[in-house]
Amino acid sequence: DAGVIQSPRHEVTEMGQEVTLRCKLISGHNSLFWYRQTMMRGLELLIYFNNNVPIDDSGMPEDRFSAKMPNASFSTLKIQPSEPRDSAVYFCASSLRAGEQFFGPGTRLTVL
Amino acid sequence: DQQVKQNSPSLSVQEGRISILNCDYTNSMFDYFLWYKKYPAEGPTFLISISSIKDKNEDGRFTVFLNKSAKHLSLHIVPSQPGDSAVYFCAASEWGSQGNLIFGKGTKLSVKP
Repeated sequence: DAGVIQSPRHEVTEMGQEVTLRCKLISGHNSLFWYRQTMMRGLELLIYFNNNVPIDDSGMPEDRFSAKMPNASFSTLKIQPSEPRDSAVYFCASSLRAGEQFFGPGTRLTVL
Repeated sequence: DQQVKQNSPSLSVQEGRISILNCDYTNSMFDYFLWYKKYPAEGPTFLISISSIKDKNEDGRFTVFLNKSAKHLSLHIVPSQPGDSAVYFCAASEWGSQGNLIFGKGTKLSVKP
């Protein structure tokens, strides 16, 4: 298995633009987690899904952020409009059961 | 307020010596604890875990100790190797949380040859 796949690996955009981050889960996994890593706040959980259903989105910072799971193997995290303070590394992770999560390589987002 | 705290942002150890990384938590409902290792430009990778029914779990050079009364866990690496240089994250979860992990901010370990 290729593991969790994220795209793009790097994204540079201008303030106000829409950004879409993508994640493909490991085949057979049923939980999907989106995290944001910054120097100040470390690794923060934004939202997680179980069997395609959002379970907890309390970590989503603002209405500018939205996440979807259109099918069991794919998810998107969208930021519209983007702001410079959204600059961070965004990780997604998948798991089969409570406990160990498998992380993707991350998307480094820079909003100018 | 942080539920999982790693109070040392960095640690430097000589190759061959023991590395001890510490983690404290505040939520007494946490019952499963994990350590992840992260290299630059990569996602965190699972290293070792422990459930609250145990106080020690060992896997090769890595041992995790759990002190429930103190709400403290530690990761011991012995002997430390230069390839162990990475950021180590402590994480905790609560039974029934469907896998929601709460992470500490990480400790950057540098193992010097």
